[in-house]
Amino acid sequence: EVQMVESGGGLVEPGGSLRLSCAASGFPFSTYNMNWVRQAPGKGLEWVSSFTNDNYIYNADSLKGRFTISRDNSKNSLYLQMNSLRVEDTAVYYCARSVAGTLRGFDYWGQGTLVTVSS
Amino acid sequence: QSALTQPASVSGSPGQSITISCTGTSSDVGGYNYVSWYQQHPGKAPKLMIYDVSNRPSGVSNRFSGSKSGNTASLTISGLQAEDEADYYCSSYRSINTLLFGGGTKLTVL
Repeated sequence: EVQMVESGGGLVEPGGSLRLSCAASGFPFSTYNMNWVRQAPGKGLEWVSSFTNDNYIYNADSLKGRFTISRDNSKNSLYLQMNSLRVEDTAVYYCARSVAGTLRGFDYWGQGTLVTVSS
Repeated sequence: QSALTQPASVSGSPGQSITISCTGTSSDVGGYNYVSWYQQHPGKAPKLMIYDVSNRPSGVSNRFSGSKSGNTASLTISGLQAEDEADYYCSSYRSINTLLFGGGTKLTVL
């Protein structure tokens, strides 16, 4: 069974940092493109970042370099390092597996981890 | 980048068909056959319903279908059922190497 489990969310003050993790199982992790998608409370979905199986990284322009995606294929894990956090970064952050190919869609999602940025 | 444009809400009665539109530009929806549709129930993660404009993942009911004409993609749900009530989001690849979501559409089954 394909499964992704996110962790690392929580309450952080503006300007702070947080590292999210996504543990994947049930599929050959290294062969898939992996992604982060976020959803602010009561709002729509927003693509954040992608890490392809051949080591290319794509980021949403709106993040302005504050977030860094990484992966460790030996641990079947995806990460998101978030720096200089802002109140508007408050959201549920989902880890999602790509449909084969790059940025074509996401076929499996984790349950999400909530990040709250507040003083 | 601006989100793809979806109607805020649509509604239909059980057994009817409804269509949700998703309008973009020639740099995204119109330029690539990489439109996906997601269903999201409250408090749950999104679920992929359609990818590559009109392909259904295994396990998704054939009551769900997708299409595209020009810069507008559409999701049609036929034989509407109570459990179809949810939020629906479209997404599209956008040049170069980004992805856009629509603002979401709330489907109400009357």
